[in-house]
Amino acid sequence: NAGVMQNPRHLVRRRGQEARLRCSPMKGHSHVYWYRQLPEEGLKFMVYLQKENIIDESGMPKERFSAEFPKEGPSILRIQQVVRGDSAAYFCASSPDRISTDTQYFGPGTRLTVL
Amino acid sequence: KQEVTQIPAALSVPEGENLVLNCSFTDSAIYNLQWFRQDPGKGLTSLLLIQSSQREQTSGRLNASLDKSSGRSTLYIAASQPGDSATYLCAVKVSNFGNEKLTFGTGTRLTIIP
Repeated sequence: NAGVMQNPRHLVRRRGQEARLRCSPMKGHSHVYWYRQLPEEGLKFMVYLQKENIIDESGMPKERFSAEFPKEGPSILRIQQVVRGDSAAYFCASSPDRISTDTQYFGPGTRLTVL
Repeated sequence: KQEVTQIPAALSVPEGENLVLNCSFTDSAIYNLQWFRQDPGKGLTSLLLIQSSQREQTSGRLNASLDKSSGRSTLYIAASQPGDSATYLCAVKVSNFGNEKLTFGTGTRLTIIP
């Protein structure tokens, strides 16, 4: 059973470009979470999605950031018009249907660098 | 608002020593607490998960304890090895139904000196 997969592992963008980060959860997992880790800081929750639904986006910046988890395919975190402050490691995690008691399984992360 | 603090931020110990990492949280209403390991440039590996009804969990040389009432957890590593060098993160899941997010501490960067 493959783990959580994220691609690309490294992404370089110039200011003003768009960044698309992909996350494929573990097989059988229908819950996806995105976290951001800024340099020298801890991981911060961004958004929690189930298939086709955003459950909690309380950690998402109000502008330029969006996330989706379609019925088919990976979850996508999209950052429009990137700025240097968006440079960070973005981690995706997934969990199975049972809530609240299970661990979240983390992917290797996508390291975004904005030039 | 839940806040998680880890002290110390960095720790260096000689190989073979036992050590304790500390984690504190401000809101004792949690579902569980989890310890992770993060290697440089890598993702997170779950080490131990303690449910709110439990007081400790053990895995090999690792033992994690939880004291909900005082808002504290410790990760004990016995007979440390150079391969234990990594950043250790603790994270709590709050108790509100549907609130599945983890709140992380900033981590303790551990270096084991051969």
